Amino acid sequence: GAGVSQSPSNKVTEKGKDVELRCDPISGHTALYWYRQSLGQGLEFLIYFQGNSAPDKSGLPSDRFSAERTGGSVSTLTIQRTQQEDSAVYLCASSLTDSASGNTIYFGEGSWLTVV
Amino acid sequence: SQKIEQNSEALNIQEGKTATLTCNYTNYSPAYLQWYRQDPGRGPVFLLLIRENEKEKRKERLKVTFDTTLKQSLFHITASQPADSATYLCALEGGKLIFGQGTELSVKP
Repeated sequence: GAGVSQSPSNKVTEKGKDVELRCDPISGHTALYWYRQSLGQGLEFLIYFQGNSAPDKSGLPSDRFSAERTGGSVSTLTIQRTQQEDSAVYLCASSLTDSASGNTIYFGEGSWLTVV
Repeated sequence: SQKIEQNSEALNIQEGKTATLTCNYTNYSPAYLQWYRQDPGRGPVFLLLIRENEKEKRKERLKVTFDTTLKQSLFHITASQPADSATYLCALEGGKLIFGQGTELSVKP
């Protein structure tokens, strides 16, 4: 598709279960970001992938969170042993090149995660 | 510590007036700053980018200023319309793109 695609769009899970959120960036975009947004809050940086460089994982809140990007394209964010405080919208974004270039980043519509 | 701060209180203005939103930052030296619009339940959408060597940028009814001495960017919407009601986010480059918490703008007819 033309834009950043995320799935699932909505996910309700029980506390303690693992979840996987998927992001398909715009074709050809080398940079990929994950952010988290809690209700009424700003965007919290989680992780940044740029080309073949080691990802910047400095925003991951705990070791229950991990992300990978296979083949420089699709990315999966995994949350293990989910907690209620993990409930938020998880937004993925991509841009043509690295953040220093100032390229526009394009967001998906987010995956809404509710942990009950 | 590094911070990006936007007006936390919602901004309510009358249609036709100019809306001015503020973004302040500390302990960053960004090469550029961006502004995004976010509607409820949607992902943010890019509006404007201004680089550190630019004082002002315009796009239709939008104007952004960037003062690297004050460490501040102002975002103006002139002749505001109810359709401009949304949350506006500033973002700066700090090794990756870092966002402020956003300011909610409400334009009343």
